[in-house]
Amino acid sequence: QSMLTQPPSVSAAPGQKVTISCSGGSSNIGNNDVSWYQQLPGTSPKLLIYENNKRPSGIPDRFSGSKSGTSATLGITGLQTGDEADYYCGTWDGTLTAGLFGGGTKLTVL
Amino acid sequence: EVHLLESGGDLIQPGGSLRLSCAASGFSFSTYAMNWVRQAPGKGLEWVSAITGSGGGTSYTDSVKGRFTISRDNSENTLYLQMNSLKAEDTAIYYCAREMEGRHFDFDFWGQGILVTVSS
Repeated sequence: QSMLTQPPSVSAAPGQKVTISCSGGSSNIGNNDVSWYQQLPGTSPKLLIYENNKRPSGIPDRFSGSKSGTSATLGITGLQTGDEADYYCGTWDGTLTAGLFGGGTKLTVL
Repeated sequence: EVHLLESGGDLIQPGGSLRLSCAASGFSFSTYAMNWVRQAPGKGLEWVSAITGSGGGTSYTDSVKGRFTISRDNSENTLYLQMNSLKAEDTAIYYCAREMEGRHFDFDFWGQGILVTVSS
């Protein structure tokens, strides 16, 4: 069981907005930046958000990130069927001196 | 173009050893910290290990400490993961991933992954 808690699944209709939460603690999210990854079926993970809210080049602004205290949130607007994937949050834990990923959230675009 | 290519995966018996390699190209390899991340079949991502650009600093998740060793050869642009005393629970796809320059635990490039199966 991961120390970063994500909902197992979320769903929304095409064109709608969805948010995915990632809850941690003071030793991880509370004191370190969060990144978000998208993993399409059968592919390697892809960086969507780094440093809590920054997008790498090529990532559309439909994807956004935020952090408050010991929780982080990924937002996706204008949902497309191609957004159906697993989404993971990640951060460093200073107490464990280890990296952490959330358990992952499966997004279904109905 | 940045490219990471893992190799060395295999079917191995419990207690056995295996060395994974990750060949890097398209960037100044020694400038970047590198990591191994694994994914058990049907499961989520699990961070395994990290190494600094110089190779002087390493870290591991608790479940592999004392069994796995991460290393790198900057002259060959290659990352390694030596895995000893393998257990069934080490069965996973292993990805090598590059940390963004100047960042920590932000992985901007990933390999395609290599399957390690530990079974008798």
